[in-house]
Amino acid sequence: KQEVTQIPAALSVPEGENLVLNCSFTDSAIYNLQWFRQDPGKGLTSLLLIQSSQREQTSGRLNASLDKSSGRSTLYIAASQPGDSATYLCGGTDKLIFGTGTRLQVFP
Amino acid sequence: GAVVSQHPSRVICKSGTSVKIECRSLDFQATTMFWYRQFPKKSLMLMATSNEGSKATYEQGVEKDKFLINHASLTLSTLTVTSAHPEDSSFYICSARVGQVSYGYTFGSGTRLTVV
Repeated sequence: KQEVTQIPAALSVPEGENLVLNCSFTDSAIYNLQWFRQDPGKGLTSLLLIQSSQREQTSGRLNASLDKSSGRSTLYIAASQPGDSATYLCGGTDKLIFGTGTRLQVFP
Repeated sequence: GAVVSQHPSRVICKSGTSVKIECRSLDFQATTMFWYRQFPKKSLMLMATSNEGSKATYEQGVEKDKFLINHASLTLSTLTVTSAHPEDSSFYICSARVGQVSYGYTFGSGTRLTVV
């Protein structure tokens, strides 16, 4: 059974710091990998999608990489801002299974 | 981009009544949709996979008769919470696969259900 682990579970940093969020799967047979953010009481917003033939994707200050052989993905957030505060979730199978996510707080 | 519209955003119902939540794909056809439940400060728990024109596939531990899923068209899936009780109060979110798996998933904005 696929399980997802995200580290750290929570992170509180001053703005401007560069951050690394980690995601790992027990079953490394991942077709593609998608990162989301969730604001309190809201749905999920897709941030980045790494397709099966890709190893990383970049969007603005966000960069995500995928190592399919180990079943691990990393989300890198550059120059963090208070608006980045949210819960970050990764999912990567034919039906999205999520871990508990990383709750990020960026303070001014 | 692909958009999924979920309604209602909030609903309060009396114990014993049924509540229907709708999830519509607005600009694409969604042959597969997913329903999740989320408890406060917890992650999303997959409840079931909804396939257009066929019966939904429920995850282990999810009561089929309690959570009725219908996916009668390529743009609409519904979740009905039957005979709701306070313990069914939760945040429910739907998701749709955009085309093939390689195009990723998009989520609705969620429904906050409160059973009193």
